[in-house]
Amino acid sequence: GNSVTQMEGPVTLSEEAFLTINCTYTATGYPSLFWYVQYPGEGLQLLLKATKADDKGSNKGFEATYRKETTSFHLEKGSVQVSDSAVYFCALSRGATNKLIFGTGTLLAVQP
Amino acid sequence: GAVVSQHPSWVICKSGTSVKIECRSLDFQATTMFWYRQFPKQSLMLMATSNEGSKATYEQGVEKDKFLINHASLTLSTLTVTSAHPEDSSFYICSAGPLLGDQFEQYFGPGTRLTVT
Repeated sequence: GNSVTQMEGPVTLSEEAFLTINCTYTATGYPSLFWYVQYPGEGLQLLLKATKADDKGSNKGFEATYRKETTSFHLEKGSVQVSDSAVYFCALSRGATNKLIFGTGTLLAVQP
Repeated sequence: GAVVSQHPSWVICKSGTSVKIECRSLDFQATTMFWYRQFPKQSLMLMATSNEGSKATYEQGVEKDKFLINHASLTLSTLTVTSAHPEDSSFYICSAGPLLGDQFEQYFGPGTRLTVT
């Protein structure tokens, strides 16, 4: 079946450090891939997405590239800020139903 | 734009009682809403897909008679946990979307924390 695996947290970084959160997926065919972010006390928000192989999604300094050969969609940011502290979820969607399958989420804590 | 609200944000109820959770799209119409359940330190698990004017589609292993879903209007879906038990304690999250012309994006509510004593 379809599934998403992402690295366990928490990830603790100092401000301006480089961030990578790994995400790999298992799916038949060609899923769409997403990163969602959940700030404390708020609902999940779409951070970025990629709908086909080699697409790069980007938003707010975050990037992720759809790698079909490695079935990965790793999230990166060159310089994190305290305001980036949140839980990040990798997800995939297949077909016309728009059903999302989520990874377990990774808590990022950025210290000043 | 594209705001989804949930009410209540948290609720405590006694075992055996029923609890209703509302999910509203505040500034858009949603023909489809989704209900998720999230356990501590675990992923969101899709429970059901709620379609306006028709019966909800439940995921495998989700009890239809326990988790009643009603999507009576384009801006409101409700989840009723019937005869709640402590094992139903969880964080319930809804989402709505996509918007017309946007194939993918769902908009999430802030969640409802249910505690059954």
